Amino acid sequence: NAGVMQNPRHLVRRRGQEARLRCSPMKGHSHVYWYRQLPEEGLKFMVYLQKENIIDESGMPKERFSAEFPKEGPSILRIQQVVRGDSAAYFCASSPPSSSTGELFFGEGSRLTVL
Amino acid sequence: KQEVTQIPAALSVPEGENLVLNCSFTDSAIYNLQWFRQDPGKGLTSLLLIQSSQREQTSGRLNASLDKSSGRSTLYIAASQPGDSATYLCAANTGNTGKLIFGQGTTLQVKP
Repeated sequence: NAGVMQNPRHLVRRRGQEARLRCSPMKGHSHVYWYRQLPEEGLKFMVYLQKENIIDESGMPKERFSAEFPKEGPSILRIQQVVRGDSAAYFCASSPPSSSTGELFFGEGSRLTVL
Repeated sequence: KQEVTQIPAALSVPEGENLVLNCSFTDSAIYNLQWFRQDPGKGLTSLLLIQSSQREQTSGRLNASLDKSSGRSTLYIAASQPGDSATYLCAANTGNTGKLIFGQGTTLQVKP
């Protein structure tokens, strides 16, 4: 049973380009969360999605950032027109539907570097 | 608004020592509290999860306690080993939604 899979593990973009980060949750998990870890800062919640629905996006920057979790395929975090301040590690986590424990399982992260 | 603080930010101990990592949270209305380990450049590994109705959880040499009334959790590591060197993060879940509030972490170095 594979864990949460994220790709790419490392991504380099120039300012103004687009970054797309993908996350495949654990088998049987239908809830996906994205977190961001900026250099020298703690992990911050960005968005919580279920299949085809955004449940809570209170942590998402208002511009340039979007997330989706389609009926088929991985969840995608999209950053348009990247700036140097977007350089960070982006972590995806998943949990099963109706989890009684509320435990999250994290992926290895995608590290974005903006030149 | 929930805030989570971890003290100390860094800790260096000789191998074999027992140690305690501290985590405090401002809002006692939590659903659970989870401790993670993060190695440099890696993801988060879940160590222990304590539900709000529980006082402690144990796994091997690790023991985590939870005191909601005082807003504190501790992670106790017995007989520390160099392989325990990592950053330890605690995270409070204020509702069963997976929206975790993380502390800044304690970076532990265990010297052989």
